[in-house]
Amino acid sequence: EPEVTQTPSHQVTQMGQEVILRCVPISNHLYFYWYRQILGQKVEFLVSFYNNEISEKSEIFDDQFSVERPDGSNFTLKIRSTKLEDSAMYFCASRSGDTQYFGPGTRLTVL
Amino acid sequence: AQTVTQSQPEMSVQEAETVTLSCTYDTSESNYYLFWYKQPPSRQMILVIRQEAYKQQNATENRFSVNFQKAAKSFSLKISDSQLGDTAMYFCAFMKKNSGGYQKVTFGTGTKLQVIP
Repeated sequence: EPEVTQTPSHQVTQMGQEVILRCVPISNHLYFYWYRQILGQKVEFLVSFYNNEISEKSEIFDDQFSVERPDGSNFTLKIRSTKLEDSAMYFCASRSGDTQYFGPGTRLTVL
Repeated sequence: AQTVTQSQPEMSVQEAETVTLSCTYDTSESNYYLFWYKQPPSRQMILVIRQEAYKQQNATENRFSVNFQKAAKSFSLKISDSQLGDTAMYFCAFMKKNSGGYQKVTFGTGTKLQVIP
């Protein structure tokens, strides 16, 4: 069964550094999403992406964040200058029909 | 805006017993979807079951079933014959349906379920 995959599974970075989180959505899906989950808190929507552009973003998704689909398979989330509070689990999701399928997540730790 | 409320932060159940997790939501939308996702210690988000709001029949998926009460905006999950592998955090989630197709999922705060041997 096709799955959403994410790399790396765990990323450790220093405050102020740029990170890129990678996702490979399910191949025939057209809608892509990023969510985050700070430890012990609920999953929060960050951004949705369709037809090579952002379709919706939350207030969390400020100028430090960007998304890109650089080729036909990858979907990336970039954080330009990480802060301590960016430490979280980041989930990518892709949608077919009316169900979103989530990847296994990338645990980002900012030191 | 939609909100999803899970009032049970933690629950436990004996193996082979039945447990029900509660969820209520608030929305002015008439057309939407509801989901239960499971997050085991590995933290991967796994879809357990989904319900379309316009369908009156409650969804079932093997040992998992829901009690969907649209008027009451209630969406509970029943797990029958609980197994040790059911130990996880369970999230209730809402997604509205619109013509644009840009639906985001709104999650509740989760219920941590422990299945006791």
